[in-house]
Amino acid sequence: ETGVTQTPRHLVMGMTNKKSLKCEQHLGHNAMYWYKQSAKKPLELMFVYNFKEQTENNSVPSRFSPECPNSSHLFLHLHTLQPEDSALYLCASSQDVLTGELFFGEGSRLTVL
Amino acid sequence: AQSVTQLDSQVPVFEEAPVELRCNYSSSVSVYLFWYVQYPNQGLQLLLKYLSGSTLVESINGFEAEFNKSQTSFHLRKPSVHISDTAEYFCAVSVLSGGYQKVTFGTGTKLQVIP
Repeated sequence: ETGVTQTPRHLVMGMTNKKSLKCEQHLGHNAMYWYKQSAKKPLELMFVYNFKEQTENNSVPSRFSPECPNSSHLFLHLHTLQPEDSALYLCASSQDVLTGELFFGEGSRLTVL
Repeated sequence: AQSVTQLDSQVPVFEEAPVELRCNYSSSVSVYLFWYVQYPNQGLQLLLKYLSGSTLVESINGFEAEFNKSQTSFHLRKPSVHISDTAEYFCAVSVLSGGYQKVTFGTGTKLQVIP
């Protein structure tokens, strides 16, 4: 079992759909993150949660809505997305927000039609 | 704000040859430095890190990187590559900002090992 698990691995949705990405970490970490990975661009930090509290929203459009019910689970709710939102969405966790060392899941490949 | 530059987007190298993947960063404060590797259809995995102490750090699979503060570099090297090293490598810099370590990634370098 991997330390950070993401589901689904692949998702295709229309611009009017509502879907959610799920992330679960089994490492006992206290911080969780969402990153967006697009071709030929650096990884973009989207959200940071520390002990379930959101500590960073990196100017992400409101069509992306995160939820962190506890330190082990992180969701990214998606609605009315645009084709340019197609990307690999990576979840990561860290022991806390002071180490800088991240543990990544395998990602959810999102395609918006 | 900090930034990371990986000038080489792709590096082809023959098997058993040496390789160097370049990484330069800019920051006005002290940093932590990381190299991550991403194999096809997978997430990123930590390869090695510099937090403090010895400026030369090594990974378990033969990679090493040296922190050079004067040149603001953290190049990744391996003396002899294997086919299994084919992957994309990301350099990252982390600084304490707003109460947490903010990690900035480079654009990545694809290492292609040729048999």
